[in-house]
Parts: sequence; C-alpha cells; structure tokens
Amino acid sequence: GAGVSQTPSNKVTEKGKYVELRCDPISGHTALYWYRQSLGQGPEFLIYFQGTGAADDSGLPNDRFFAVRPEGSVSTLKIQRTERGDSAVYLCASSPGLAGYNEQFFGPGTRLTVL
Amino acid sequence: AQSVTQLGSHVSVSEGALVLLRCNYSSSVPPYLFWYVQYPNQGLQLLLKYTTGATLVKGINGFEAEFKKSETSFHLTKPSAHMSDAAEYFCAVSVSGNTPLVFGKGTRLSVIA
Repeated sequence: GAGVSQTPSNKVTEKGKYVELRCDPISGHTALYWYRQSLGQGPEFLIYFQGTGAADDSGLPNDRFFAVRPEGSVSTLKIQRTERGDSAVYLCASSPGLAGYNEQFFGPGTRLTVL
Repeated sequence: AQSVTQLGSHVSVSEGALVLLRCNYSSSVPPYLFWYVQYPNQGLQLLLKYTTGATLVKGINGFEAEFKKSETSFHLTKPSAHMSDAAEYFCAVSVSGNTPLVFGKGTRLSVIA
C-alpha cells in the first residue's frame, strides 16, 4: 500500500513569509508525528497527534509554529513569519496508534529553505 | 527525559569489514530502542528495534544490535560491510509504544571498495 507522503518535496520561501507543509499518513493510522531535521543533526520532535487532537506539542519551538489535523487524517504544519533558522527538512511519520509498540513509518520529508 | 549519544559522526570501513556503530542512551524508565537508516534524499527506514524480550535483535540487511542495560548501550553491528550499506544511521529511544522518538545526531557510514 501507499506509504506516508509529504508535499511539497521542496519549498523555497523568503524570510517573513508564511508556509504550509502537508502530510498524508498511511490510511488508518491514527497517530501522526512531525519532526524537524536540521543539517548534520538527527530528527527532533515537534508535535504528535492522536486522532484529531495534539497529544503532545512540547517540541514546537515557538508560537510561529502550528499544526492541525482536522479530520484525523491529513495534517498541515504551518509556519508564520519564517526565519532563516527554520530552514530544515520537515519529516512526518504515522503509526497505527494502538496499545503497545507501534512502528513509526516516515515520509520522505519536505526540505524548507528560507532565504 | 531521554537522550541518545552516537559516538562518531562519520565511520569509514572497507567492503567486507565489520561494521560497528555505537549508541548510548539515557532513560529514566525501561526504553524502547531503535536503529533507523536514511539513504540520500529518502525517508527514514527502520532497521531494527528492541522493545522487550531477547536483548540481541536482528534486523534487515544483516544488521543486528544488542541491548546492554548495564552499559546503557545499543550498538549496531554487521559482520561484513557492503557498498550498499553506505548511508546515515540514527539511533533512537522512546519510553512507550506511541511516544515520540528521541534521536541521536547520526553516524554517516562510508564503505570503501
């Protein structure tokens, strides 16, 4: 079946602009995660959804970052007033969200470049 | 809070040689441990995981790792490196089945012919 997809694959924007990054999880997966991977670093957690609600948003760096998942499937990560330091690869992952261990399946990421 | 330390940002081995990538973790509760591989311009792929039970776990592509609680380690090994193993490898920890992963900074593996 189809894996996790993310669009766009690349996004170039100017400092101060607003961007939206989209994640389509594997069908039926109730858990969805956003991570950010800066150059030379491992992925860092941003936010985790269980269904439509954010179960943990402790990784969002500041209030310029916001994410939604209105119907419990597709999620959008929104970044306002982008800064050059926001440049990174944004990764999305989904999992079945069942009790016990659930493997997270990762998408290919969106590479965001803020000029 | 959990953390992961990967020793060596870059490891280079000859084709056919042993691969050893080091990972140490910190966790206040029994951890779930993972190794992921990332090929250029691709997403993360799970190599192997430790959740409970046998401490020596085998993964895809001939890789294995051993959970050593006394050493807080989860080193990744492969007896004989192949050119196709060249990639970035990430060790990660979580504390339950659905909690977010905490990743190390990664180790880039190069394989020399």
